[in-house]
Amino acid sequence: RKEVEQDPGPFNVPEGATVAFNCTYSNSASQSFFWYRQDCRKEPKLLMSVYSSGNEDGRFTAQLNRASQYISLLIRDSKLSDSATYLCVVNSGYALNFGKGTSLLVTP
Amino acid sequence: DAGVIQSPRHEVTEMGQEVTLRCKPISGHNSLFWYRQTMMRGLELLIYFNNNVPIDDSGMPEDRFSAKMPNASFSTLKIQPSEPRDSAVYFCASSFPAGGEAHNEQFFGPGTRLTVL
Repeated sequence: RKEVEQDPGPFNVPEGATVAFNCTYSNSASQSFFWYRQDCRKEPKLLMSVYSSGNEDGRFTAQLNRASQYISLLIRDSKLSDSATYLCVVNSGYALNFGKGTSLLVTP
Repeated sequence: DAGVIQSPRHEVTEMGQEVTLRCKPISGHNSLFWYRQTMMRGLELLIYFNNNVPIDDSGMPEDRFSAKMPNASFSTLKIQPSEPRDSAVYFCASSFPAGGEAHNEQFFGPGTRLTVL
Protein backbone atom coordinates (compact mmCIF):
# COMPACT_ATOMS: atom_id res chain seq x y z
CA ARG A 1 0.00 0.00 0.00
CA LYS A 2 1.36 3.40 -0.99
CA GLU A 3 2.02 5.67 1.99
CA VAL A 4 0.07 8.60 0.56
CA GLU A 5 -3.10 8.01 -1.43
CA GLN A 6 -4.96 10.54 -3.52
CA ASP A 7 -7.79 10.42 -6.01
CA PRO A 8 -6.02 11.11 -9.33
CA GLY A 9 -9.05 12.88 -10.80
CA PRO A 10 -9.23 14.71 -13.10
CA PHE A 11 -11.54 17.18 -11.45
CA ASN A 12 -13.13 19.41 -14.08
CA VAL A 13 -14.82 22.43 -12.53
CA PRO A 14 -16.11 25.77 -13.85
CA GLU A 15 -14.52 29.04 -12.83
CA GLY A 16 -15.81 30.22 -9.48
CA ALA A 17 -16.58 26.76 -8.20
CA THR A 18 -15.41 25.33 -4.90
CA VAL A 19 -13.46 22.10 -5.13
CA ALA A 20 -12.05 19.82 -2.43
CA PHE A 21 -9.27 17.26 -2.60
CA ASN A 22 -8.64 14.55 -0.07
CA CYS A 23 -5.63 12.51 0.83
CA THR A 24 -4.97 9.66 3.25
CA TYR A 25 -1.65 8.59 4.69
CA SER A 26 -0.54 5.37 6.34
CA ASN A 27 2.24 6.42 8.72
CA SER A 28 0.61 7.48 11.98
CA ALA A 29 3.96 8.86 13.20
CA SER A 30 4.06 11.52 10.47
CA GLN A 31 4.51 15.04 11.77
CA SER A 32 4.76 17.27 8.71
CA PHE A 33 2.12 17.71 6.04
CA PHE A 34 2.06 19.81 2.90
CA TRP A 35 0.27 20.47 -0.34
CA TYR A 36 2.47 21.05 -3.37
CA ARG A 37 1.32 22.24 -6.75
CA GLN A 38 2.78 21.01 -10.03
CA ASP A 39 1.99 22.64 -13.35
CA CYS A 40 2.25 20.62 -16.54
CA ARG A 41 5.89 19.80 -17.38
CA LYS A 42 7.12 21.89 -14.45
CA GLU A 43 8.58 21.16 -11.05
CA PRO A 44 6.50 20.82 -7.87
CA LYS A 45 6.24 23.94 -5.73
CA LEU A 46 5.02 24.32 -2.18
CA LEU A 47 1.44 25.56 -2.03
CA MET A 48 0.97 25.46 1.72
CA SER A 49 1.89 23.59 4.86
CA VAL A 50 -0.91 21.87 6.77
CA TYR A 51 -1.18 22.49 10.49
CA SER A 52 -3.10 20.51 13.09
CA SER A 53 -5.55 23.32 13.70
CA GLY A 54 -6.20 23.80 10.00
CA ASN A 55 -5.00 26.83 8.10
CA GLU A 56 -6.11 29.17 5.38
CA ASP A 57 -4.23 31.10 2.75
CA GLY A 58 -6.53 33.26 0.69
CA ARG A 59 -8.83 31.01 -1.29
CA PHE A 60 -7.07 27.87 -0.06
CA THR A 61 -7.92 26.01 3.15
CA ALA A 62 -6.07 22.96 4.42
CA GLN A 63 -7.32 20.60 7.12
CA LEU A 64 -5.65 17.74 8.95
CA ASN A 65 -7.41 14.93 10.78
CA ARG A 66 -4.77 12.91 12.62
CA ALA A 67 -7.23 10.38 14.02
CA SER A 68 -8.39 9.43 10.53
CA GLN A 69 -4.97 10.11 8.92
CA TYR A 70 -6.66 12.34 6.42
CA ILE A 71 -5.71 15.68 4.84
CA SER A 72 -7.87 17.94 2.73
CA LEU A 73 -7.45 20.97 0.51
CA LEU A 74 -10.35 23.26 -0.31
CA ILE A 75 -10.14 25.80 -3.12
CA ARG A 76 -12.83 28.45 -3.19
CA ASP A 77 -13.74 30.66 -6.14
CA SER A 78 -11.49 28.64 -8.44
CA LYS A 79 -9.58 30.45 -11.17
CA LEU A 80 -8.35 29.25 -14.54
CA SER A 81 -4.83 29.59 -13.18
CA ASP A 82 -5.58 27.01 -10.48
CA SER A 83 -5.46 24.29 -13.15
CA ALA A 84 -2.60 22.04 -12.09
CA THR A 85 -1.84 18.82 -10.25
CA TYR A 86 -1.99 19.01 -6.47
CA LEU A 87 0.36 16.74 -4.56
CA CYS A 88 -0.32 15.66 -0.99
CA VAL A 89 2.94 15.32 0.93
CA VAL A 90 3.62 13.63 4.26
CA ASN A 91 6.91 13.12 6.03
CA SER A 92 8.25 9.67 6.86
CA GLY A 93 11.27 10.15 9.04
CA TYR A 94 13.74 12.34 7.15
CA ALA A 95 11.98 11.84 3.84
CA LEU A 96 8.89 13.34 2.30
CA ASN A 97 6.41 10.99 0.66
CA PHE A 98 4.50 12.47 -2.24
CA GLY A 99 1.11 11.30 -3.38
CA LYS A 100 0.68 10.80 -7.11
CA GLY A 101 -1.38 13.95 -7.28
CA THR A 102 -4.89 15.07 -8.10
CA SER A 103 -5.39 16.78 -11.43
CA LEU A 104 -7.58 19.89 -11.51
CA LEU A 105 -8.85 21.58 -14.65
CA VAL A 106 -10.77 24.82 -14.21
CA THR A 107 -12.78 25.72 -17.28
CA PRO A 108 -14.24 29.08 -18.39
CA ASP B 1 18.62 34.48 -6.28
CA ALA B 2 19.03 31.47 -8.51
CA GLY B 3 16.93 28.47 -7.63
CA VAL B 4 18.03 24.88 -7.89
CA ILE B 5 19.87 24.40 -11.16
CA GLN B 6 19.81 21.13 -13.06
CA SER B 7 21.49 20.06 -16.25
CA PRO B 8 20.87 18.88 -18.82
CA ARG B 9 17.19 19.75 -19.14
CA HIS B 10 16.65 17.00 -21.69
CA GLU B 11 18.68 13.90 -22.39
CA VAL B 12 18.06 11.28 -25.04
CA THR B 13 20.38 8.32 -25.02
CA GLU B 14 20.56 4.74 -26.13
CA MET B 15 20.27 1.73 -23.90
CA GLY B 16 23.58 0.80 -22.36
CA GLN B 17 25.00 4.30 -22.34
CA GLU B 18 26.09 6.13 -19.21
CA VAL B 19 23.97 9.09 -18.15
CA THR B 20 25.08 11.78 -15.70
CA LEU B 21 22.61 14.28 -14.29
CA ARG B 22 23.84 17.36 -12.46
CA CYS B 23 22.42 19.55 -9.72
CA LYS B 24 23.44 22.76 -8.01
CA PRO B 25 21.35 23.34 -4.86
CA ILE B 26 20.36 26.72 -3.50
CA SER B 27 23.26 28.34 -1.67
CA GLY B 28 22.98 27.77 2.07
CA HIS B 29 20.75 24.73 1.79
CA ASN B 30 22.42 21.68 3.27
CA SER B 31 19.85 19.02 2.40
CA LEU B 32 19.67 17.71 -1.13
CA PHE B 33 17.26 15.21 -2.60
CA TRP B 34 17.09 13.33 -5.90
CA TYR B 35 13.64 12.25 -7.08
CA ARG B 36 12.32 10.39 -10.09
CA GLN B 37 8.84 11.02 -11.48
CA THR B 38 6.86 8.78 -13.82
CA MET B 39 3.18 8.59 -14.64
CA MET B 40 2.93 5.12 -13.17
CA ARG B 41 4.78 5.62 -9.89
CA GLY B 42 4.55 9.35 -9.27
CA LEU B 43 7.39 11.14 -7.49
CA GLU B 44 9.81 8.78 -5.78
CA LEU B 45 12.72 9.71 -3.54
CA LEU B 46 15.95 8.15 -4.75
CA ILE B 47 18.50 9.51 -2.30
CA TYR B 48 18.88 12.18 0.37
CA PHE B 49 22.06 14.00 1.34
CA ASN B 50 22.59 16.07 4.46
CA ASN B 51 25.76 18.16 4.67
CA ASN B 52 27.08 16.31 1.60
CA VAL B 53 26.69 12.92 3.28
CA PRO B 54 24.23 10.34 1.89
CA ILE B 55 21.70 9.70 4.65
CA ASP B 56 19.14 7.52 2.92
CA ASP B 57 19.71 5.79 -0.41
CA SER B 58 17.05 3.13 0.04
CA GLY B 59 15.15 4.53 -2.92
CA MET B 60 17.96 3.95 -5.39
CA PRO B 61 16.55 1.29 -7.71
CA GLU B 62 19.63 -0.83 -8.18
CA ASP B 63 23.38 -0.80 -8.53
CA ARG B 64 23.17 0.87 -11.89
CA PHE B 65 22.30 4.09 -10.06
CA SER B 66 24.84 6.06 -8.05
CA ALA B 67 24.88 9.56 -6.60
CA LYS B 68 27.60 11.77 -5.24
CA MET B 69 27.83 15.12 -3.54
CA PRO B 70 31.49 16.14 -3.52
CA ASN B 71 30.73 19.56 -2.06
CA ALA B 72 27.87 21.69 -0.83
CA SER B 73 27.17 23.20 -4.25
CA PHE B 74 27.17 20.20 -6.55
CA SER B 75 25.67 16.75 -6.86
CA THR B 76 25.49 14.14 -9.60
CA LEU B 77 23.21 11.21 -10.29
CA LYS B 78 24.71 8.62 -12.61
CA ILE B 79 23.03 5.72 -14.37
CA GLN B 80 25.33 3.13 -15.88
CA PRO B 81 24.26 1.31 -17.96
CA SER B 82 20.98 3.02 -18.73
CA GLU B 83 17.84 1.06 -19.66
CA PRO B 84 14.57 2.12 -21.32
CA ARG B 85 12.72 1.72 -18.01
CA ASP B 86 14.89 4.49 -16.57
CA SER B 87 13.04 6.98 -18.77
CA ALA B 88 11.51 9.55 -16.43
CA VAL B 89 11.85 13.10 -15.18
CA TYR B 90 14.58 13.38 -12.55
CA PHE B 91 14.25 16.20 -10.08
CA CYS B 92 16.78 17.56 -7.65
CA ALA B 93 15.51 19.48 -4.61
CA SER B 94 17.17 21.27 -1.74
CA SER B 95 16.11 22.56 1.63
CA PHE B 96 17.43 23.91 4.87
CA PRO B 97 16.60 21.29 7.50
CA ALA B 98 14.21 22.30 10.25
CA GLY B 99 15.76 19.96 12.78
CA GLY B 100 14.93 16.42 13.77
CA GLU B 101 12.17 15.06 11.63
CA ALA B 102 10.51 18.40 11.03
CA HIS B 103 10.65 19.60 7.46
CA ASN B 104 11.12 22.88 5.71
CA GLU B 105 10.00 23.59 2.18
CA GLN B 106 11.84 21.68 -0.52
CA PHE B 107 12.75 23.73 -3.56
CA PHE B 108 12.81 21.73 -6.76
CA GLY B 109 14.91 22.26 -9.83
CA PRO B 110 13.29 22.25 -13.29
CA GLY B 111 14.12 18.58 -13.76
CA THR B 112 15.92 16.54 -16.37
CA ARG B 113 13.69 14.70 -18.81
CA LEU B 114 15.51 11.47 -19.64
CA THR B 115 14.59 9.23 -22.52
CA VAL B 116 16.46 5.96 -22.96
CA LEU B 117 15.85 4.37 -26.34
